[in-house]
Amino acid sequence: NAGVTQTPKFRVLKTGQSMTLLCAQDMNHEYMYWYRQDPGMGLRLIHYSVGEGTTAKGEVPDGYNVSRLKKQNFLLGLESAAPSQTSVYFCASRPTSGGPDTQYFGPGTRLTVL
Amino acid sequence: KQEVTQIPAALSVPEGENLVLNCSFTDSAIYNLQWFRQDPGKGLTSLLLIQSSQREQTSGRLNASLDKSSGRSTLYIAASQPGDSATYLCAPTDNYGQNFVFGPGTRLSVLP
Repeated sequence: NAGVTQTPKFRVLKTGQSMTLLCAQDMNHEYMYWYRQDPGMGLRLIHYSVGEGTTAKGEVPDGYNVSRLKKQNFLLGLESAAPSQTSVYFCASRPTSGGPDTQYFGPGTRLTVL
Repeated sequence: KQEVTQIPAALSVPEGENLVLNCSFTDSAIYNLQWFRQDPGKGLTSLLLIQSSQREQTSGRLNASLDKSSGRSTLYIAASQPGDSATYLCAPTDNYGQNFVFGPGTRLSVLP
């Protein structure tokens, strides 16, 4: 049981390049989330998914796209990276709401856009 | 829009002290509230989750309280240890229990 894993752990991009971050969970969780964390700020929600084949926008969705083709995977894409997207990206998953559930976080991906 | 603040932003205490971390949120229509710990360069680890019907939760030396009507939660750490040094974040959910809004965190240093 690996929990929530993220690939890659570090990445450096040039402005305008594209990339995809992969989040995988083996806990059969319905909900998955992508957050970004910037210095001095809490985590901000980018996109989330409430189940396979569904996605929804969070607080800061511009410049990002997501896909949830398989229940265990949630992909975050940057089509044309900008320096403002330099951040640490965290993925999380949780069971469906309605009970004393909790989020489980991945270790993060540190992205630098030059 | 839910806004979450945490006071203090940073705290440094000698080992053995009891301490209180504060979390305030603007929208009291929350489903639950969760406290997390984040170690440098790491992801978040859940510490305590308080459902909206509860007023507090305890786990070992940690006690978290929730006052929805006033928009406040506190995390009490008893007999602090150097291993408690980390950033502590609070996160209330919306009233559907779906999405968490995170505070900026309190960075705690416990000195030996």
